[in-house]
Order: sequence, then C-alpha cells, then structure tokens
Amino acid sequence: IVLTQSPGTLSLSPGERATLSCRASQSISSVYLAWYQQKPGQAPRLLIYGASSRATGIPDRFSGSGSGTDFTLTISRLEPEDFAVYYCQQYGRSPFTFGPGTKVDIK
Amino acid sequence: QVQLVESGGGVVQPGRSLRLSCAASRFTFSSYGLHWVRQAPGKGPEWVAFISYDASNKHYVDSVKGRFTISRDNSRNTLYLQMNSLRPEDTAVYYCAKNRGYNYGGDAFDIWGQGTMVTVSS
Repeated sequence: IVLTQSPGTLSLSPGERATLSCRASQSISSVYLAWYQQKPGQAPRLLIYGASSRATGIPDRFSGSGSGTDFTLTISRLEPEDFAVYYCQQYGRSPFTFGPGTKVDIK
Repeated sequence: QVQLVESGGGVVQPGRSLRLSCAASRFTFSSYGLHWVRQAPGKGPEWVAFISYDASNKHYVDSVKGRFTISRDNSRNTLYLQMNSLRPEDTAVYYCAKNRGYNYGGDAFDIWGQGTMVTVSS
C-alpha cells in the first residue's frame, strides 16, 4: 500500500491551523492508520493511532480523522514546538508503509 | 520509563555482515511485537522487519528478504537484526520500535529507540 502525503511543505505561523493529508493507494481500515511527528535528530513520535485516537501524552490540539483512502491530521493551533515533519503510516498489511512526510515550517 | 536502546551500528564494507541489538527495559518485553525501521539520511522512515511477541510471525520488506533476519530473546529482553550481504543502499539510522498493543500482527509504534547508524561503504 503506497501512501501519499500533501502538501510536501506547509508554511504557517504559530497560532494558525494546520491540515495535513494522507491518501492511500487502496482502502485501509481506519484502525490501521497512524501519524507520527519527527524533529531533527530525534526518532519519530507516535501522535495518533487508529486514525483518530491520540497516543498517551499527546495534546488535544492534535486530531485525526478519515476513512477508506483519505485521512487527515489537524493541528488546531500551532505551538512553536509543533514545527516538524509529520508522517502517516499504515500497519494493517505488511509491508507497514510510511508516507513521504509533510514538513510544517514557520512562515 | 519504558525504553529501547539500540547498539551495534558502524561502518562496514559492501557484502559484509552486521548484527544490531535492541535492549528493552521497563515493560513486559515478551508480550509485544517489535519492529526494525530505518531512515536513510534526509529521507523518511522505512519499515524493515517485524517479529511477533513469541517469534512465530515474522515479516520483512522485500528489499531485505533473504539478507536480513529478525529475532528476539525474551529471556534477555533483547531484539536483534542480523544483516548479511550489506549494500550501500542499506545505509541508514536503524531504529527498533514497539507495538502499542498486544496485537499478534502490526500495530502503531508507540516506543522508539534513539537509533544506531549503519554506513555501508568501501
């Protein structure tokens, strides 16, 4: 399953809303879709699993939605620490593929 | 806190072998499936291999099948990745990661190690 993310880069200011898209080449159960955040020099961090469930300790400004082939990660109000790269991943069928990522940078 | 620590990376010539280890602490290691994920410089993560909690179920990405072997020792709380016939395109940071839940198959990866760098170059 190939995952495509858009846009490649999102330039926004702190306090703005970020909407990131992930599209799958075939339908996947929403149970098997995750979102990760990665900052330079760090491992990815799990934000969302099951398309819409926040992982432990993740602030509620992060939310996930979607089904079938189209999924969305929304950051309601960007904080300075949210500027990073975001990856979606499907884990329902091997190989457990990641998308190419969306970089959220400061405008 | 729950922790995964990788070791064993380094510089190796093409065609040679390397074994990575991932030591786990502060969770019931034998209850969770585990993964290896790699990330080439400037690229996104690429899932490499999965092993179920009891080692009865293993999966690999096509590019490493027949060259890499994932294994685990539940008595030592340690995950391994034996990498043979290494190629320059295997150069990456290698992370181990833990399944979030008690699923026999795949799950979201809730805990990641800090990574170990593998460089394949002559």
